[in-house]
Amino acid sequence: KQEVTQIPAALSVPEGENLVLNCSFTDSAIYNLQWFRQDPGKGLTSLLLIQSSQREQTSGRLNASLDKSSGRSTLYIAASQPGDSATYLCAPSGTGGFKTIFGAGTRLFVKA
Amino acid sequence: EAGVAQSPRYKIIEKRQSVAFWCNPISGHATLYWYQQILGQGPKLLIQFQNNGVVDDSQLPKDRFSAERLKGVDSTLKIQPAKLEDSAVYLCASSSTTLGAYNEQFFGPGTRLTVL
Repeated sequence: KQEVTQIPAALSVPEGENLVLNCSFTDSAIYNLQWFRQDPGKGLTSLLLIQSSQREQTSGRLNASLDKSSGRSTLYIAASQPGDSATYLCAPSGTGGFKTIFGAGTRLFVKA
Repeated sequence: EAGVAQSPRYKIIEKRQSVAFWCNPISGHATLYWYQQILGQGPKLLIQFQNNGVVDDSQLPKDRFSAERLKGVDSTLKIQPAKLEDSAVYLCASSSTTLGAYNEQFFGPGTRLTVL
């Protein structure tokens, strides 16, 4: 059974810092992994999708990497801003015994 | 391009009552997902449709929850009868499919259900 863990659960940083959010998963038989952001009381916004054949994806100040064999993905946020404050969720998707499983998220607060 | 639409946005009901949620996916997206998100947790997949067929409903409490996607477009999720522990946000998402692989999921704003 796929289990997804996100560390840390919460993070508070000053504006301008570079930071790394971690996601680990137990079943490496995935075909993609998606990173989302969720603002309080809102739905999920897709940030990046990494296919299983890829190592990383970049969008603006965001970079996501994937190491399928070790069951890890990281989301790197460069030069953080107060507007980045939100909960960040990772979700690997696979075939067979599981479909899409979400982690509990990392709650990020960027102080001005 | 219009996003995923959901209604209602909020619903308050008494326990043992029934409730239904509606979702309209992004045009052309063959795959539709219903998730349940309890406060403080990540979303949990309830059911996944490919066109109007069910791909996975292993986590759907079938004694009280039902879902359908007639004509492979809109979908409804129903709870009957509701329990206190069903209080959550119900999220709908859709994705396109390429060569049998599911692509990026796009989410609607969700329906916040409170069961009293």
